[in-house]
Amino acid sequence: NAGVTQTPKFRVLKTGQSMTLLCAQDMNHEYMYWYRQDPGMGLRLIHYSVGEGTTAKGEVPDGYNVSRLKKQNFLLGLESAAPSQTSVYFCATGQGRETQYFGPGTRLLVL
Amino acid sequence: QQQVKQSPQSLIVQKGGISIINCAYENTAFDYFPWYQQFPGKGPALLIAIRPDVSEKKEGRFTISFNKSAKQFSLHIMDSQPGDSATYFCAATQSYNTDKLIFGTGTRLQVFP
Repeated sequence: NAGVTQTPKFRVLKTGQSMTLLCAQDMNHEYMYWYRQDPGMGLRLIHYSVGEGTTAKGEVPDGYNVSRLKKQNFLLGLESAAPSQTSVYFCATGQGRETQYFGPGTRLLVL
Repeated sequence: QQQVKQSPQSLIVQKGGISIINCAYENTAFDYFPWYQQFPGKGPALLIAIRPDVSEKKEGRFTISFNKSAKQFSLHIMDSQPGDSATYFCAATQSYNTDKLIFGTGTRLQVFP
């Protein structure tokens, strides 16, 4: 029972490159979230999903896209990375709207 | 109205002391207030949570105090230990009307022996 896993753990990109972050969960949770964490800014919600096949925008969605084709996976895409997207990205899941279970994070550096 | 303001940004406490972190909110429709604890290199994890029908909730050395009229809530860590050194986030939500948690900006707590 791995809980919430994130792939990759660390990545370096050049400006303009694209990449996909994968979040996988084995808890059968309906809700999945992508956050970014920056110093002094707390956790800011990028996109989220309330079930397979659904996605919705969060607080800071620009420059990111998401997909939830399978209930257990939530993908976060960066089509053209920018230095402002250097951050630590966390995926979280939840059975309801309240308690969220976070993954270990992906550290992304955009040069 | 959706913001949750958290203070202080950082806190240094001696072992055995009391750590106090404060949060304030504007949206009176919020009805669930959790605190998350994050150790370096890890994701946040739920620590303790409270609903506005009670003024205090205690779990071990951790206590949430809630003041509905002032729209404030705080986390108290009694007998603080070096192992409590982490970043703490308060959060709030309307549990029946939204799918999202609104997080505070975090407090980095350091407990020295």
